[in-house]
Amino acid sequence: SAVISQKPSRDICQRGTSLTIQCQVDSQVTMMFWYRQQPGQSLTLIATANQGSEATYESGFVIDKFPISRPNLTFSTLTVSNMSPEDSSIYLCSGGHSGLNEQFFGPGTRLTVL
Amino acid sequence: GESVGLHLPTLSVQEGDNSIINCAYSNSASDYFIWYKQESGKGPQFIIDIRSNMDKRQGQRVTVLLNKTVKHLSLQIAATQPGDSAVYFCAESDLVGRRALTFGSGTRLQVQP
Repeated sequence: SAVISQKPSRDICQRGTSLTIQCQVDSQVTMMFWYRQQPGQSLTLIATANQGSEATYESGFVIDKFPISRPNLTFSTLTVSNMSPEDSSIYLCSGGHSGLNEQFFGPGTRLTVL
Repeated sequence: GESVGLHLPTLSVQEGDNSIINCAYSNSASDYFIWYKQESGKGPQFIIDIRSNMDKRQGQRVTVLLNKTVKHLSLQIAATQPGDSAVYFCAESDLVGRRALTFGSGTRLQVQP
């Protein structure tokens, strides 16, 4: 398994500002993903974080709004840019090892935008 | 309180009873399925998985059944305990492709003591 931590665990931000969320894995993982979970709903994939290259975004999510970095196999960041109240959500990262099926999730970052 | 699962369908069971949570999926190409448990304020926790070449897999107190013909997945929890109260999500993926998960809508399980 992999233990995944996220920082911050929660934040309250003002409209128009940006927040960077950090995801740290305790072991090298091949794959890292970022998901969003809006209040009362399921998880939606934002993007696949690729090591050393640009992230692969899902339909409806763009790099200008959600820039992602992954400088190595254990760390990734997601920035929520120019925030609006509609961005209020839980943001989760996950990781998995190639050759193994399971994906493990971090505890999530609860973002509230005023 | 946390907002995860507020608007989800709810299954209420008595402690000690068996629980069955159902999930329908849509992608015929999916070949890997996972059940996650999410407690308030936490990330999803892996419970059990199954590959498409199987139709049943058992773990400790949990069983997953897969019916590929009707694209249906179920999670059975034996002797349900109060600690099982949570929101349960099924997720699907493909083992060869991008490996990202597509989540189902979730079910809240409430265990009555």
